[in-house]
Amino acid sequence: AQKITQTQPGMFVQEKEAVTLDCTYDTSDPSYGLFWYKQPSSGEMIFLIYQGSYDQQNATEGRYSLNFQKARKSANLVISASQLGDSAMYFCAMREGGSGGGADGLTFGKGTHLIIQP
Amino acid sequence: DAGVTQSPTHLIKTRGQQVTLRCSPKSGHDTVSWYQQALGQGPQFIFQYYEEEERQRGNFPDRFSGHQFPNYSSELNVNALLLGDSALYLCASSLPGSRFTDTQYFGPGTRLTVL
Repeated sequence: AQKITQTQPGMFVQEKEAVTLDCTYDTSDPSYGLFWYKQPSSGEMIFLIYQGSYDQQNATEGRYSLNFQKARKSANLVISASQLGDSAMYFCAMREGGSGGGADGLTFGKGTHLIIQP
Repeated sequence: DAGVTQSPTHLIKTRGQQVTLRCSPKSGHDTVSWYQQALGQGPQFIFQYYEEEERQRGNFPDRFSGHQFPNYSSELNVNALLLGDSALYLCASSLPGSRFTDTQYFGPGTRLTVL
């Protein structure tokens, strides 16, 4: 079963509009972190925002906010006032706390290709 | 403040050859993770290095190996290259914090093409 599901392969949004990118996750671990990354055509993964499983409030970073609904296991990214430079691939990722030793790598979804239109 | 750097940027190899990719972590970071990103897919975790030891490994064969040096830089080695190894290889660095809270910062990647 996929641990991270992003159901929107592509989205077209008008400049200055808000956009919501969907992400659902699957884990039985009570301790986990959720991350969103942006990947422009250049290839570099740019960290946007983080939400921990024990965080009481939704995370915000400038124009980015994370709509965290723990019971539904969803962690949607909201971008307010979209800009042309927001056009890129967006990936949702998770790291589980786990009970074993060592740190786990990130598990990524397949991504959403966001295109901002003028 | 230098970010994560990777070399080379691009690489072309033929099947059966061996390749070495290099990564220097962000200043102050001592943990390095490697990921493989096939075209149109999300990155997949290969392994993580901390204190010069492989700490965690994803579902990749032993043809994929690595090393971490005392200055925290790292190498990814792939032996007996297959066509399916063609991908963008991403290196990420992080602080040795709590496992599920530490943010990984990525480099620009190395694009490997196997002919």
